[in-house]
Amino acid sequence: ETGVTQTPRHLVMGMTNKKSLKCEQHLGHNAMYWYKQSAKKPLELMFVYSLEERVENNSVPSRFSPECPNSSHLFLHLHTLQPEDSALYLCASSQETSGGARNEQFFGPGTRLTVL
Amino acid sequence: GQNIDQPTEMTATEGAIVQINCTYQTSGFNGLFWYQQHAGEAPTFLSYNVLDGLEEKGRFSSFLSRSKGYSYLLLKELQMKDSASYLCAVRDWMDSSYKLIFGSGTRLLVRP
Repeated sequence: ETGVTQTPRHLVMGMTNKKSLKCEQHLGHNAMYWYKQSAKKPLELMFVYSLEERVENNSVPSRFSPECPNSSHLFLHLHTLQPEDSALYLCASSQETSGGARNEQFFGPGTRLTVL
Repeated sequence: GQNIDQPTEMTATEGAIVQINCTYQTSGFNGLFWYQQHAGEAPTFLSYNVLDGLEEKGRFSSFLSRSKGYSYLLLKELQMKDSASYLCAVRDWMDSSYKLIFGSGTRLLVRP
């Protein structure tokens, strides 16, 4: 496997279900991100982990719970979601350094989530 | 606050040139990125500008003017496979860390 992988690619769940999204990066990066992409809206940053410490929680509802057990893996635990949470959830990673380095983010293919 | 504007949709003809504009307002600018995203796929990195001027990479070029809060992505010799969304993103220094703020994307349709 190369780059950033995400599983599952598609997920349909009811509002009372509990599920988890998984992301794995094979690039040796030190930062990982969760984004939400809804139709016709900008990518919304949800969580940032740098060196396995959560450094950002962008006012995301508590029904979304991230976990970063090590620098290569990132999870997003979902419970009691709402239909408006249906979206594409993208994981990304980057190698963060100080100063003006490029540090582009590499994205996974995303999980298409549908909440019924 | 942060604000990034780009056109919602553009249409161009195969073989032509198209310019996609992006304007932004940020407090701690630290670079501008362009990403390409085909439907149902991950965004992929195209270009990065942190200093004023033009960066050229094959058929794609990106320009930045920090004083004007303006960038454009120029696509030459358009091909059908260039039909995709193009995302402008600005790295901003906020709350003691860098954040990547995305525009809504410009959906480009290349016609034969």
